[in-house]
Amino acid sequence: AQSVTQLGSHVSVSEGALVLLRCNYSSSVPPYLFWYVQYPNQGLQLLLKYTSAATLVKGINGFEAEFKKSETSFHLTKPSAHMSDAAEYFCAYAGGTSYGKLTFGQGTILTVHP
Amino acid sequence: EAGVVQSPRYKIIEKKQPVAFWCNPISGHNTLYWYRQNLGQGPELLIRYENEEAVDDSQLPKDRFSAERLKGVDSTLKIQPAELGDSAVYLCASTTFVDNEQFFGPGTRLTVL
Repeated sequence: AQSVTQLGSHVSVSEGALVLLRCNYSSSVPPYLFWYVQYPNQGLQLLLKYTSAATLVKGINGFEAEFKKSETSFHLTKPSAHMSDAAEYFCAYAGGTSYGKLTFGQGTILTVHP
Repeated sequence: EAGVVQSPRYKIIEKKQPVAFWCNPISGHNTLYWYRQNLGQGPELLIRYENEEAVDDSQLPKDRFSAERLKGVDSTLKIQPAELGDSAVYLCASTTFVDNEQFFGPGTRLTVL
């Protein structure tokens, strides 16, 4: 069965510092991979998605992620954190027998300090 | 374009009471999902509809949960009777299946006392 692992349930950075949120997936078939952001008391908003085109994917709000098949990873980065980036981030997988169904990681709460 | 609409946004009930949640997907989206998100966790699929047909309800606790999408547009998720462990956020999502991208509503936060 496919699974998604997000390393680190909490990540804390200073404003202006690099943001790195880690995501690894487990699947033997080519995946669709997503990063969603969730602000308090809101639904999930899509940041970016990998659909087998370019391995480096650029999303909204300055975020990007790189698909590395050899490492089965899809880590999310942003060069310079902003206070408004504080939220919870979810990595999700779809594909293979789970086509049409998203499997989510546990989430990573990002805290940004002034 | 209007997004996925859910109501109510918040619901507080006592255990053993019934509760219902409503979702209206994005216009033209034939596929609709209900997810449950427990505190501190990622969403987990409860049920997926293709038009009126429930094509994946393997994770739906059928002893107390039911769902319907009678005309293939809006959908209702019901719990009867509610238990303390049902406290969670219930998310609705819809898609046209382009790139597997799903669009989420704001969710209903259920608190069972």
